[in-house]
Amino acid sequence: DTAVSQTPKYLVTQMGNDKSIKCEQNLGHDTMYWYKQDSKKFLKIMFSYNNKELIINETVPNRFSPKSPDKAHLNLHINSLELGDSAVYFCASSQNTGRGNFQPQHFGDGTRLSIL
Amino acid sequence: SQQGEEDPQALSIQEGENATMNCSYKTSINNLQWYRQNSGRGLVHLILIRSNEREKHSGRLRVTLDTSKKSSSLLITASRAADTASYFCATAFYGNNRLAFGKGNQVVVIP
Repeated sequence: DTAVSQTPKYLVTQMGNDKSIKCEQNLGHDTMYWYKQDSKKFLKIMFSYNNKELIINETVPNRFSPKSPDKAHLNLHINSLELGDSAVYFCASSQNTGRGNFQPQHFGDGTRLSIL
Repeated sequence: SQQGEEDPQALSIQEGENATMNCSYKTSINNLQWYRQNSGRGLVHLILIRSNEREKHSGRLRVTLDTSKKSSSLLITASRAADTASYFCATAFYGNNRLAFGKGNQVVVIP
């Protein structure tokens, strides 16, 4: 059973389109994350939800909107896609026990977004 | 941001050799974690070491932590071709609500 699954794996689309990436975890974790990994493999946190509540909202264009319908799902919707949005987007989850005491994160295999 | 910095950035070794990589950080941490990323895959957690621990082992992996120098090292012994991957350190800081990932360290093990 895949612990953190995200779909689609590849997303190729035109500039200006709107797209969504879905993420689901079956680990019973209470915290989920979206990361963006650029071509140099630098991993940048975008959003984090804890029990469906937004707790991290980094400096990300407001074209990016996360949605957590329940604690097992965290989706990412992107409006008006731009060339600079091309990257690999990773969903992750963890069970965090307190401020600063971060437990290991479990990652999905990523969504490779290419903007034409 | 308080990100870990891995050193060296790229390492190429022969199968059977040991690979060592280092990570430095800037402020007091709660724990430090190492992750592996194979090509085209997500990050996989390897080891978590707490701020009051100095060394931890997991199979062929050994992690050390020196809080006085604000640095950690990951040693892979008897490397295998399957160890070819990028390795990231990530730090959890007191009073923060996120893991800070370093830039990653590419390791290539030549069969």
